[in-house]
Amino acid sequence: GAVVSQHPSWVICKSGTSVKIECRSLDFQATTMFWYRQFPKQSLMLMATSNEGSKATYEQGVEKDKFLINHASLTLSTLTVTSAHPEDSSFYICSARDRGATPLHFGNGTRLTVT
Amino acid sequence: AQSVAQPEDQVNVAEGNPLTVKCTYSVSGNPYLFWYVQYPNRGLQFLLKYITGDNLVKGSYGFEAEFNKSQTSFHLKKPSALVSDSALYFCAVRDDQAGTALIFGKGTTLSVSS
Repeated sequence: GAVVSQHPSWVICKSGTSVKIECRSLDFQATTMFWYRQFPKQSLMLMATSNEGSKATYEQGVEKDKFLINHASLTLSTLTVTSAHPEDSSFYICSARDRGATPLHFGNGTRLTVT
Repeated sequence: AQSVAQPEDQVNVAEGNPLTVKCTYSVSGNPYLFWYVQYPNRGLQFLLKYITGDNLVKGSYGFEAEFNKSQTSFHLKKPSALVSDSALYFCAVRDDQAGTALIFGKGTTLSVSS
């Protein structure tokens, strides 16, 4: 079945640095990818919708200059957390939808810890 | 606007007993409904979906869900729970007229005791 690979699975960084998270669709082309954020014991909150070849659409309250999204190809979207702060520590999950298919396929998530 | 409600933070059942995890939804158009399961520090695994057709949907690992339009519900069920079913379960909805992103409920922790 369709697989979405997310890398890294765990990252620890210092406050003020930037971290890039990659999301790849391994066996299908994803014109649209989604980035979610999950706080402990809470639901997934949609951050942005990433469209190949165009600017991402951010949800209300998500800072687009802080969470940079690039969807450079049909199989890769990246999320860069710029100038990270401890409050950015969270679990970030990407997902992608195969053309014509309805269930979203999810990556295994990235645990970001900012010290 | 789309929304999903999972009224129970936690459901506890004994192994071998039937389980139900509740979900209700609200959409403007026709709902596309999904259930996902999440294990600690992992992404989400797709269990089942309702798009159209039979109201009773069968999915992975023996799970099923029943779409009830009048009650706007999509409860997840399993006839006989396993300890390995213990995990966090998310109900999600997508409005067929409002874009492609999934909106998730807050999640329900299922705990199956032996």
